[in-house]
Amino acid sequence: GQQVMQIPQYQHVQEGEDFTTYCNSSTTLSNIQWYKQRPGGHPVFLIQLVKSGEVKKQKRLTFQFGEAKKNSSLHITATQTTDVGTYFCAGRGNRDDKIIFGKGTRLHILP
Amino acid sequence: EAQVTQNPRYLITVTGKKLTVTCSQNMNHEYMSWYRQDPGLGLRQIYYSMNVEVTDKGDVPEGYKVSRKEKRNFPLILESPSPNQTSLYFCASSLEASGSYEQYFGPGTRLTVT
Repeated sequence: GQQVMQIPQYQHVQEGEDFTTYCNSSTTLSNIQWYKQRPGGHPVFLIQLVKSGEVKKQKRLTFQFGEAKKNSSLHITATQTTDVGTYFCAGRGNRDDKIIFGKGTRLHILP
Repeated sequence: EAQVTQNPRYLITVTGKKLTVTCSQNMNHEYMSWYRQDPGLGLRQIYYSMNVEVTDKGDVPEGYKVSRKEKRNFPLILESPSPNQTSLYFCASSLEASGSYEQYFGPGTRLTVT
């Protein structure tokens, strides 16, 4: 079945350093979404990418969708303590309406 | 306020005792879904519903049932809970089943089965 792999599982960075998490799908995706979950909270939608090669920015966050629509990345520039949390990608396949989440990348900021 | 609500937020129960976790959304969303979250495994979809009376299995449906009799409600039923169903459960909804719309998550239900 469809799988979405996300790496790394954990990332510790010094405040001010950059951070990137990557997602790879075993099949072509119709779209990919990114969510952030703060410790003790619920996932909150960040963005959605639909087009091949799409790049979107939200302040210090840059999201990319691969040309083949099988991979995606989230890059945070100059991390801040407010960026702490787990970042998930979620892909919807072309064949059904299941949504497959990556296992998430937990970001920890060192002061 | 637009939101997804779940009840109860916390539940401790014993093996075999049937339970229901309720989920309700006030945004007139068509698509609703249940996930379980376990350490190291991320979020896994249990069941989803594209509209009233339309439900389908996600990746981990074994041991669960759902129903969608009304658009706003999507209860999760555990007929005979077992300890391996101890988990954090999230309900989510989005505007439409087709197309691409963000999911709104409820606050979560932490279930412990002893």
